[in-house]
Amino acid sequence: AQSVTQPDIHITVSEGASLELRCNYSYGATPYLFWYVQSPGQGLQLLLKYFSGDTLVQGIKGFEAEFKRSQSSFNLRKPSVHWSDAAEYFCAVAVEYGNKLVFGAGTILRVKS
Amino acid sequence: NAGVTQTPKFRVLKTGQSMTLLCAQDMNHEYMYWYRQDPGMGLRLIHYSVGEGTTAKGEVPDGYNVSRLKKQNFLLGLESAAPSQTSVYFCASSSAGTSGGADTQYFGPGTRLTVL
Repeated sequence: AQSVTQPDIHITVSEGASLELRCNYSYGATPYLFWYVQSPGQGLQLLLKYFSGDTLVQGIKGFEAEFKRSQSSFNLRKPSVHWSDAAEYFCAVAVEYGNKLVFGAGTILRVKS
Repeated sequence: NAGVTQTPKFRVLKTGQSMTLLCAQDMNHEYMYWYRQDPGMGLRLIHYSVGEGTTAKGEVPDGYNVSRLKKQNFLLGLESAAPSQTSVYFCASSSAGTSGGADTQYFGPGTRLTVL
């Protein structure tokens, strides 16, 4: 069955430090992969997506993610974290020709000043 | 262009009561979805629709019904609410992708439901 694993439930980083959030997926076909961000009490906002092509994907707010097929991973990175990046981040894979999204459990990012 | 809107934003029900959550999108999207979000479990798909008049079950459909009578609206019904249905409910919509299936999903702001 398809699944998405985000190994880190919580991550705390200092403002200005670099960030990497991990995501591993299990899916037999070519994956469509997404990262969404959710601020407290808000809906989900798309950060970036990978459908095909270049394996390094640029997104909004200075985020990027790299698709590594050999490792079944799609890790999210940011070189310098801002306090406003504190939120919950979800990785997702589209299955059944993109008709469904399977989400990971999420990673809560805390930013300390 | 409001995107995806959800009504109501908050609701408290007693066990056994019924209610309907309304989702509306103004992006002319073919696909619409209902998810529930529970702590530590991410979002789980309840039901979805690939077009007006069609619905399909997702991962956790039990206790819920849906209808898509108009392309822009997707209704989620709870016929007899249970405490286990206390959750935050999100609606999403997407257009058809270029290679078949759905494209990126856009989410509404959510409905927080408490069942006592």
